[in-house]
Amino acid sequence: QKEVEQDPGPLSVPEGAIVSLNCTYSNSAFQYFMWYRQYSRKGPELLMYTYSSGNKEDGRFTAQVDKSSKYISLFIRDSQPSDSATYLCAMSAAFGNEKLTFGTGTRLTIIP
Amino acid sequence: KAGVTQTPRYLIKTRGQQVTLSCSPISGHRSVSWYQQTPGQGLQFLFEYFSETQRNKGNFPGRFSGRQFSNSRSEMNVSTLELGDSALYLCASRPGQGRNEQYFGPGTRLTVT
Repeated sequence: QKEVEQDPGPLSVPEGAIVSLNCTYSNSAFQYFMWYRQYSRKGPELLMYTYSSGNKEDGRFTAQVDKSSKYISLFIRDSQPSDSATYLCAMSAAFGNEKLTFGTGTRLTIIP
Repeated sequence: KAGVTQTPRYLIKTRGQQVTLSCSPISGHRSVSWYQQTPGQGLQFLFEYFSETQRNKGNFPGRFSGRQFSNSRSEMNVSTLELGDSALYLCASRPGQGRNEQYFGPGTRLTVT
């Protein structure tokens, strides 16, 4: 079983919809949680970074972390065609072991 | 601030050859990590360097090696290339000082024939 599980999709939603992306993990040592967006043939772009449990909002993006359930989410409001990309969750343990463990990525398409 | 830069962007090599990839981190970032991305395995951690010292290493064979220079720039070397080494190699830099978010470069796409 993988340490981080992410539904690979693909996921297609109409423009303006709310998108929910999720990951589950098994390693209780993970404390730092990130969401990346990756366009085709590009490097991953950091969208959200959170530490421990809680919510964080940045514009149209909201990241949620529930450490008790080992579950993280990314919500995208008012989705735009430019949001079409692969979304990767990533997480790491505490200081001294900062290697990122990634989910497989969810391919998202926003339909105009 | 300029982002993470990687050179070259594309490489084609033959089995058995060796290759060196280069990464320049964001100014002020002292940590550089390398990842391999393939369609089958996704993103996998290779190693991390901080202040010229390797801190962590992933589960890759010894053919994969790296180093970091005093200006934080890093190089990754793959010797005796195999077809399965074809991948996007990504470099990421981290601010350090308790901050764990990592910023990725555009990657080097390596094709082994």
